Amino acid sequence: GIQVEQSPPDLILQEGANSTLRCNFSDSVNNLQWFHQNPWGQLINLFYIPSGTKQNGRLSATTVATERYSLLYISSSQTTDSGVYFCAVDLRGGGNKLTFGTGTQLKVEL
Amino acid sequence: DVKVTQSSRYLVKRTGEKVFLECVQDMDHENMFWYRQDPGLGLRLIYFSYDVKMKEKGDIPEGYSVSREKKERFSLILESASTNQTSMYLCASSSRGSSYEQYFGPGTRLTVT
Repeated sequence: GIQVEQSPPDLILQEGANSTLRCNFSDSVNNLQWFHQNPWGQLINLFYIPSGTKQNGRLSATTVATERYSLLYISSSQTTDSGVYFCAVDLRGGGNKLTFGTGTQLKVEL
Repeated sequence: DVKVTQSSRYLVKRTGEKVFLECVQDMDHENMFWYRQDPGLGLRLIYFSYDVKMKEKGDIPEGYSVSREKKERFSLILESASTNQTSMYLCASSSRGSSYEQYFGPGTRLTVT
C-alpha cells in the first residue's frame, strides 16, 4: 500500500521560531490533508492541498504532487501550536480512504 | 461549519459487552469513516460507507461491524468487546463532490477492562 512518511518525528521550538514539516508519499494521490491534533485528541483540519500552495494566517502548505511531497510551514510559532501534526493522503483510485503518516510531535516552549 | 459529533468522549466497558459508538454529521455528506488511533500504530481505517446501507471493510475490520441506516449517522459496533479494542476511535465524513476533504469528530476514548 501507499507509504506516508513524515519528518521530523519530534520538534522542539522556542516561541516565535519558524519551522517546516515534511510529508513524503509513495504514489499518486487525489487528496492530501494536513491536520493538527490537539491535546484532547481532536483532529483539526489545517489544509486540503492535493497540489499547489495555500496560506492561512501563520500557516502555509505546499504540495508538489509530481515529486510526491508536501511541506507545512509554521511561522512565529506559539505555545498553542503544540501538538501532533499529521499528513494524510488518499490514493488515486483509492476511494477517498485516508492513509495517515506517523505524525510530527511539536512542542513550542516559552 | 461542518460538524461531526460522536456520542461519548470517554467510555469504559467490560470485556464481552456489546458496545455501540455513534457518529452523526450535519453536512449531508455521502461518505463516512471509522478510524482507530493507537500509540505507535497511528490512525488506521476500520470501516467506511459511501451511502446508506452500504459498508466496506477498511484495513482492520476484525472484531467490528457497522451500521448506516440514515445518511447522517454511522455506527461502529463491537460485538464482544476485548481489551485489545481499548483505543481512541475517530469518525469522519466527506462529500463526493469536487472536494474529498474529510472532517473528523472529537473522538471517543474507549477503555475495555
